[in-house]
Amino acid sequence: GENVEQHPSTLSVQEGDSAVIKCTYSDSASNYFPWYKQELGKRPQLIIDIRSNVGEKKDQRIAVTLNKTAKHFSLHITETQPEDSAVYFCAAIGGYGGSQGNLIFGKGTKLSVKP
Amino acid sequence: GAGVSQSPSNKVTEKGKDVELRCDPISGHTALYWYRQRLGQGLEFLIYFQGNSAPDKSGLPSDRFSAERTGESVSTLTIQRTQQEDSAVYLCASSLQPGETGNTIYFGEGSWLTVV
Repeated sequence: GENVEQHPSTLSVQEGDSAVIKCTYSDSASNYFPWYKQELGKRPQLIIDIRSNVGEKKDQRIAVTLNKTAKHFSLHITETQPEDSAVYFCAAIGGYGGSQGNLIFGKGTKLSVKP
Repeated sequence: GAGVSQSPSNKVTEKGKDVELRCDPISGHTALYWYRQRLGQGLEFLIYFQGNSAPDKSGLPSDRFSAERTGESVSTLTIQRTQQEDSAVYLCASSLQPGETGNTIYFGEGSWLTVV
């Protein structure tokens, strides 16, 4: 089945700096890669996603890039703000057989933005 | 309802007792997921239902855990003979055909389980 690795586990940046979180996946048939933000005590919420037929996607200060050959994808947050502080999870949807459609998460990155 | 609904929101149970957690997905969503999240940890996959296909149970940690789903509606996660290590928040999520453009996977608020 699918396996997703995420790095770093913690990330601390100064307000206004950029933050980058990287993930790798194992299933070459995976075709959908969402990123979720989870604030303390709350449910995970989708912030951006990318499909395997696209290399990059941007939404204001957030961007995601995908390298299918290397099987890795990254989240980029520019001009970070204190309200960006949260845990971020990458995920991949399995593409084969019984795992098709299954959503597997990385272990998360705790981002702290210092004012 | 407007979103994924889970109940109970909080449950305290004695070690050895059985518990049932319920998830009402968004109406029309064919895919339903259960995850376990221990305090300060990641989202651990438990089970995935998709329409009438056989569920993917590969994430269930032991035979004390089971889940059912009736058609494309409510799902129940059952934990038998609870142990202290079962203490966690149990999150349910649902979507239309996963991976298709625009089909976001939405999470419920979770059921916080404490085993004492």
